[in-house]
Amino acid sequence: KQEVTQIPAALSVPEGENLVLNCSFTDSAIYNLQWFRQDPGKGLTSLLLIQSSQREQTSGRLNASLDKSSGRSTLYIAASQPGDSATYLCAGNAGGTSYGKLTFGQGTILTVHP
Amino acid sequence: DTAVSQTPKYLVTQMGNDKSIKCEQNLGHDTMYWYKQDSKKFLKIMFSYNNKELIINETVPNRFSPKSPDKAHLNLHINSLELGDSAVYFCASSQENRPWEQYFGPGTRLTVT
Repeated sequence: KQEVTQIPAALSVPEGENLVLNCSFTDSAIYNLQWFRQDPGKGLTSLLLIQSSQREQTSGRLNASLDKSSGRSTLYIAASQPGDSATYLCAGNAGGTSYGKLTFGQGTILTVHP
Repeated sequence: DTAVSQTPKYLVTQMGNDKSIKCEQNLGHDTMYWYKQDSKKFLKIMFSYNNKELIINETVPNRFSPKSPDKAHLNLHINSLELGDSAVYFCASSQENRPWEQYFGPGTRLTVT
């Protein structure tokens, strides 16, 4: 059974700082891993998707890496801005007959203050 | 223009009542999901429907019954509500051939008193 853990639970940084959010998973037979952003009162928005054959994905100031052997993924945010403040969730997908079953971590609440 | 919509946004009700949450998607997707996010922010899948057929059914009390009248709708009916049912419920949808690429609704905050 896949379990996903995120560290830290909360992070507060000044604007402009580079930061790293961590995600670990127990089952290395992961099909893909995603990072989502959740804003208060809104649904989840997918930020980056890393397939099992890939090691990283980049979108703008965001870079996500995946290391299946160690069961870890990181989300790197460069030059953070107040608009980045949100909850960030990682989710693993097992594939096979469970293609649609995403297993989420509990999230990291990020606050970027001016 | 809303891709995945849920109604109501907030629902406050008493223990023992029966309530429904509605979900609609206009993305033309074949698969729809219900997730529960508890007070500790853990988001867990409850059900998944593909072309009106149940394909994922996690360990959820049988007081919860999903109903899919057509591909664009997946409603969640909850009988005999309990305090522990208080949570935010999210609906999501995806294409059948890309089930990991899910689009989420804004959530319904259910409070049982």
